[in-house]
Order: sequence, then C-alpha cells, then structure tokens
Amino acid sequence: DGGITQSPKYLFRKEGQNVTLSCEQNLNHDAMYWYRQDPGQGLRLIYYSQIVNDFQKGDIAEGYSVSREKKESFPLTVTSAQKNPTAFYLCASGLSVGHGYTFGSGTRLTVV
Amino acid sequence: GQNIDQPTEMTATEGAIVQINCTYQTSGFNGLFWYQQHAGEAPTFLSYNVLDGLEEKGRFSSFLSRSKGYSYLLLKELQMKDSASYLCAVNSGYSTLTFGKGTMLLVSP
Repeated sequence: DGGITQSPKYLFRKEGQNVTLSCEQNLNHDAMYWYRQDPGQGLRLIYYSQIVNDFQKGDIAEGYSVSREKKESFPLTVTSAQKNPTAFYLCASGLSVGHGYTFGSGTRLTVV
Repeated sequence: GQNIDQPTEMTATEGAIVQINCTYQTSGFNGLFWYQQHAGEAPTFLSYNVLDGLEEKGRFSSFLSRSKGYSYLLLKELQMKDSASYLCAVNSGYSTLTFGKGTMLLVSP
C-alpha cells in the first residue's frame, strides 16, 4: 500500500545535539513538506520541496535543515541552533486539489 | 500576510449539532480544507471547498463564502469519537497550506 512513513515515532535528544527525522513516501509525489505543531499553535511550515534537489524555507526554518536527494525521501535535521525543539513534527506529501496533503504519523521530539 | 482564525475550544453534547467557524485573510485563495486531528495523531482530511456554497458528506458539511473570507464545518448527530481538534487550512495559491490554530471540540454524554 502507498503511504508516507515517519520514523521514529518518539525521539529524545540532549541539548546541543543535532537529530535527523526521517520521512519516506512511496506515493510518487513530487512535493513534500515539514510542519511543526506545538500546543495551541496549529501547524507551522518549516521547509518544503517541490522537486528533487530543490527546497524552500517556510515560516519557521531557523535552526532546521533539509535535503531532497531522492523523490521518496525528505529528512529533516533539527540542529543545536533550534532553541525550542520540543514539538510534534509532521511530514506531508502531495497537495492534490480536493484532498490536500497526505500526512505521515508524526514524530514527537523531546529535548532532555 | 496570512491570517486564519478559529475558536480555541467548543463543547457540545452527544447527538447534538455543532458549527465550527473559520475566518481567513490571505493574499490569494485556491481552496479551503478542514481536517480532523485526534491527540497525538496526524490530521485526516474531512472536506474541501473552492466555490461558494455547502458541501455535504455524511454527518459532516462545510460551507464557504469567498467574499466574506468565511467558512464553517457543521457536525451533525455528534458522537463521542468526534472529540478532536478541527483544523481549517487555506491554499492561498502557492504550493503550501496555511493552517489555523485549530478548534478543540469536546463532546460530552
């Protein structure tokens, strides 16, 4: 079955460490997205990519980095420069008229 | 800039009808989406409006007025499982969606 997979589901990080969140899709979607969700804040766009080897900053890109070397994969690195990284991170793909995004199941990152 | 407003919380009783409003001011408009999100889970698609009027899908309906920058999600015959957060999102003509902060709906017996 086609879908979008995020791993791990839960991630703990020590302050000052970089960590990479995985996002893989087998839906043949060109576009992929990373959103961050905090309590009471809704979803905020971090980065997005419309095609392989190209990506754009979203509204809150500072302290994050991405790559898009393959169509299927769009990993997100949370760097030590991100001052408040504890959040729920959602990866999405596609943006079809009428159905919107396909979402992954999310990764909950906690800084300890 | 983009601005999407929804009420923070709403409560309703099982079997009742509830209307969740969403107002938006965006630089363009290419469709409005409603998603349902249970705690700790990914959002799931509920409805899409791009033209003015009402779209009905089972117990859920969604309305759009582009001239007023206004939409609502109507949930009928509420069930306990409808307790969730409801997200309004706008495609303003770019290749991304902008989300509101979500409305937490609590359904009580």
